[in-house]
Amino acid sequence: GIQVEQSPPDLILQEGANSTLRCNFSDSVNNLQWFHQNPWGQLINLFYIPSGTKQNGRLSATTVATERYSLLYISSSQTTDSGVYFCAVDLGFTGGGNKLTFGTGTQLKVEL
Amino acid sequence: DAGVIQSPRHEVTEMGQEVTLRCKPISGHNSLFWYRQTMMRGLELLIYFNNNVPIDDSGMPEDRFSAKMPNASFSTLKIQPSEPRDSAVYFCASSSQGVSEAFFGQGTRLTVV
Repeated sequence: GIQVEQSPPDLILQEGANSTLRCNFSDSVNNLQWFHQNPWGQLINLFYIPSGTKQNGRLSATTVATERYSLLYISSSQTTDSGVYFCAVDLGFTGGGNKLTFGTGTQLKVEL
Repeated sequence: DAGVIQSPRHEVTEMGQEVTLRCKPISGHNSLFWYRQTMMRGLELLIYFNNNVPIDDSGMPEDRFSAKMPNASFSTLKIQPSEPRDSAVYFCASSSQGVSEAFFGQGTRLTVV
């Protein structure tokens, strides 16, 4: 099956710092999503980004599908950004329904 | 929309008991997914439905696990009999065919003692 690798596995930042999280995948994908799992365990949608660049406030993401990677940028980090960031991809399915394969995540801690 | 709704949020049960987890997908979504999250294996897909029909159940760990989707607005995941190794957070997600962004419920934290 498809392999999804995320780096770094752990990251500690001082509040206000910027960071880049990376997601590499081993096959062509139909879809890519970034999620934030907050300390309460909730999976929050950040981006649906099979290709190109999107921005939402302090967060932005870029997917280069031809080179099989995606980047998540966090600027001016805040303590509320702490948690685990997951990249998930799907290969597409002509019968409908697109199942996601998750990476192992990046554990982010933002300190004051 | 209220999003994907799962119940219960927490479940503690004794080994050997039957456990039923419930999910209501987002209205209008026709794909539904059950995932399990553990420290050892991360987030893994158990089964998914399209238009209420199970499409791929290859992730279901064993015969003790079963899932149903009797209609477009309700699905269950049942474990019978439960074992301590089934302890995990179980997530339900839904998406709309053709626009495949998936949205997750808040999860059910299952503890089997």
